[in-house]
Order: sequence, then structure tokens, then C-alpha cells
Amino acid sequence: DGGITQSPKYLFRKEGQNVTLSCEQNLNHDAMYWYRQDPGQGLRLIYYSQIVNDFQKGDIAEGYSVSREKKESFPLTVTSAQKNPTAFYLCASSLVGSSPAAFFGQGTRLTVV
Amino acid sequence: RKEVEQDPGPFNVPEGATVAFNCTYSNSASQSFFWYRQDCRKEPKLLMSVYSSGNEDGRFTAQLNRASQYISLLIRDSKLSDSATYLCVVNGGGGYQKVTFGTGTKLQVIP
Repeated sequence: DGGITQSPKYLFRKEGQNVTLSCEQNLNHDAMYWYRQDPGQGLRLIYYSQIVNDFQKGDIAEGYSVSREKKESFPLTVTSAQKNPTAFYLCASSLVGSSPAAFFGQGTRLTVV
Repeated sequence: RKEVEQDPGPFNVPEGATVAFNCTYSNSASQSFFWYRQDCRKEPKLLMSVYSSGNEDGRFTAQLNRASQYISLLIRDSKLSDSATYLCVVNGGGGYQKVTFGTGTKLQVIP
């Protein structure tokens, strides 16, 4: 079945550590995105990529980094520079076009301990 | 003014009731609109796109009012399984970086 897979589902990080969240899709979508969701807030865009080897900052990119070496994969690294990393992280993908609807992975819940 | 605004609710409605949510957007150049459903601690899932002429999918009807800059979602004959948060999504055009998610409206259908 086609879809988007995020791993791990739950992740615990000590302060000062970098962690990488995985996102893989087999939908043959060109565009991939990372969002962060906090309680009571809408989804906020961290990074997006519309083509391999290219990506753009979203609204809250500080403290995060990404890579897009393969069409299927768009890992997100939460660095120690991110001051409030505890959140629900959602990866999505879509076709590239004027009205793309995005499809989401199941999310990774990151907690800093 | 927020780019996309939704009443957070919760809307508590009895089974079988009809319920409607509105979502207002500030960018008059917005090009496409969607409703997503998000269950507690789960990922959002596309419920339906919203077309200018309005569209219906079973018990769900979505409408767009460009003049007043809002979209609506109507749910008829509410089921317990409709309990979720409904997210309004607006694409402001110019690429996906202009997509804005609302904070969602929580619906609780009660027996």
C-alpha cells in the first residue's frame, strides 16, 4: 500500500541532544513537508521541499535542519538549538501543482526529558 | 487578523443533528481550500476539497463564499464517529509555502 511512514512514533530526547525524525513516502510525490503541532495551535510549517536536493524554510525553521537526498525521504533533525522541541511532528507529501492536497504520516511525538 | 480563523468549539451535538462550521480567511487571493479531520493524537486526514460551486460527499457539504471570504462545512445526521477536530486549510497561492492551517474546530457528538 502507498503511504507515508514516520518513525519513531514516540521519541524522548535529553536536553542538548540532536535527534533525527524519519519520513519516507512511496506515493511518488515530489513535494514533502514537515509541520509542528502544539496543543491549541494550528500546524506550523518547519521546512518543505518540492524537488530532490532542494528545500526551503517554513515559518519556524530555526533549530531544525533537513535533507532531501532521495525523492522518497525527507528526514528532520531537531537540533539542540531548538529551545522548545517538545511537540507533535507531522510529515506530509503532495503532488506539485496549484492546489495540492497533502497527505500526512502518523506523526512523531517528541518529548524532551 | 489571523490568516485563517476557526471557532475552536467544542461543539457538542446530539446524534442525528446537523452541525455547521465556518472558517474565515484573510487573503482574498487564496486559491484552494480544504477540510481535514484530525482525531485525538492522530494525523490530519483529508476530508474534502472545497470547490467554488460547493460540493457534497455523503453527509458532508462544503461551500465557499469568496465575497465574504469564508468556507463552511455542514455535517448532516451526525454520528458518534464524526467526533473529531475539523481543520480548515487555505492555500494562498504562490506555492505550498502559502498553505495555512486553522487551529481546528472540535466536534463532540453525544448519544
